Amino acid sequence: GAVVSQHPSRVICKSGTSVKIECRSLDFQATTMFWYRQFPKKSLMLMATSNEGSKATYEQGVEKDKFLINHASLTLSTLTVTSAHPEDSSFYICSAPVSGAGGTGELFFGEGSRLTVL
Amino acid sequence: DAKTTQPTSMDCAEGRAANLPCNHSTISGNEYVYWYRQIHSQGPQYIIHGLKNNETNEMASLIITEDRKSSTLILPHATLRDTAVYYCIVRPNTNAGKSTFGDGTTLTVKP
Repeated sequence: GAVVSQHPSRVICKSGTSVKIECRSLDFQATTMFWYRQFPKKSLMLMATSNEGSKATYEQGVEKDKFLINHASLTLSTLTVTSAHPEDSSFYICSAPVSGAGGTGELFFGEGSRLTVL
Repeated sequence: DAKTTQPTSMDCAEGRAANLPCNHSTISGNEYVYWYRQIHSQGPQYIIHGLKNNETNEMASLIITEDRKSSTLILPHATLRDTAVYYCIVRPNTNAGKSTFGDGTTLTVKP
């Protein structure tokens, strides 16, 4: 199957700093990527849809200025958690669909990035 | 809100078939049923998907009811490594189709 890679897998930062998480599609192009957040023992919560070359679409209740998303190329989307606070500590996961010619719509997920804000 | 409902947890004996149900009564005509599983602290892994016909691959089988309002994922010979949270989602087969996850089913395979 297609490969989606996230980096870093784990990050610890101090309160007030910003953290960038990268999501790359390694063997296919992704005009759309999705960012999720997951709390312990909870399901994945969709945060936003990242669109290549245009603004991201955020889900209701997700702060756009807090979670900056940039989709600068067909293989890279980044999520920046700005001015991080302990309540932002979570597991962040990205995914990309393989759709269109030759694709069958399944989402492929990155390995996830665990953010801990001290 | 999630478009699917699944039992919270299930147990299965090692070597036996695991049958995981999912209800998606509000599924639209252009939405596919996808199954994923997630092992602790990893990203979800794709298992199988279908539109209206039953599907089988090397990992599992997917049975979709004729009215498409529910489906069952079948792991034919469960192993201990199949212990995970299993998610059933519905989404269009397009780039922009959003995927909302429900709470999933925690499958525990026991020796």
